[in-house]
Amino acid sequence: GAVVSQHPSWVICKSGTSVKIECRSLDFQATTMFWYRQFPKQSLMLMATSNEGSKATYEQGVEKDKFLINHASLTLSTLTVTSAHPEDSSFYICSAPGTGPSSYNSPLHFGNGTRLTVT
Amino acid sequence: AQSVTQLGSHVSVSEGALVLLRCNYSSSVPPYLFWYVQYPNQGLQLLLKYTTGATLVKGINGFEAEFKKSETSFHLTKPSAHMSDAAEYFCAVSNTGGFKTIFGAGTRLFVKA
Repeated sequence: GAVVSQHPSWVICKSGTSVKIECRSLDFQATTMFWYRQFPKQSLMLMATSNEGSKATYEQGVEKDKFLINHASLTLSTLTVTSAHPEDSSFYICSAPGTGPSSYNSPLHFGNGTRLTVT
Repeated sequence: AQSVTQLGSHVSVSEGALVLLRCNYSSSVPPYLFWYVQYPNQGLQLLLKYTTGATLVKGINGFEAEFKKSETSFHLTKPSAHMSDAAEYFCAVSNTGGFKTIFGAGTRLFVKA
C-alpha cells in the first residue's frame, strides 16, 4: 500500500530558529500533498496544499512567510517553520491522496506526524 | 460547502460492547465519506470509505459504517469493542472537485476492561 514517511517524528528547537519537516511518498508519486496542524485533543486543521512544481496554496489565516512549503519533486514536500516561537509548538501531519483512476475520491495516506516543541 | 459533525467528543464502552460513533455531514454534492483512526502521537489510518455503490461498507479491524443519505449520516459501528480500539476517530468528507478533505472534530473512544 501507499506509504508516506514523515521526518523527524519529534523535534525540539529554540525560539527564533527554523525547523524543516520532510514528507516523502515512498512507493508512489504525489503531485499534491497536504500539511495539517493538530492541537492537543483537537481535529486536524489544514494549513496548506503543496503542489509539485508550483506554489503552495495556503488556507486563510496561515502565514505563508512563516510556514514555507516546497514541493521540489513528485515524492518530497517540505514544511519549514521559520523563526519558530513557542506558540508554533504543535503536531504537524502531512498527507497525500491515493493514486489511480479514481484518485479524486481516494483516501489520504498520512505520515506519522512531527511533534514540534519550541522552547 | 461541506462540513462534518461528530456527535460526542468522548465515548466510553466496556470491552465486548457495541461501539457506535456518530457522524453527520453536510454536502451539496454526493459526498465521499471516510473514517480514520489516530493512535497517540501518530498520523491517521484509514478505517473505511464510502464512494458509491453499497451503502454499508466494511473496514479494517471489524468496523463498518452505513451511508444514509436521508439522514445525512455515516455512523461507525463495531459489534464488540476491544481494548486495542481505544483511539481517536475522525469522520471526514472529501470535496469531489479536488482533494480537499474536511475532518470532523474527532471522537475519543475509551474501552473499559
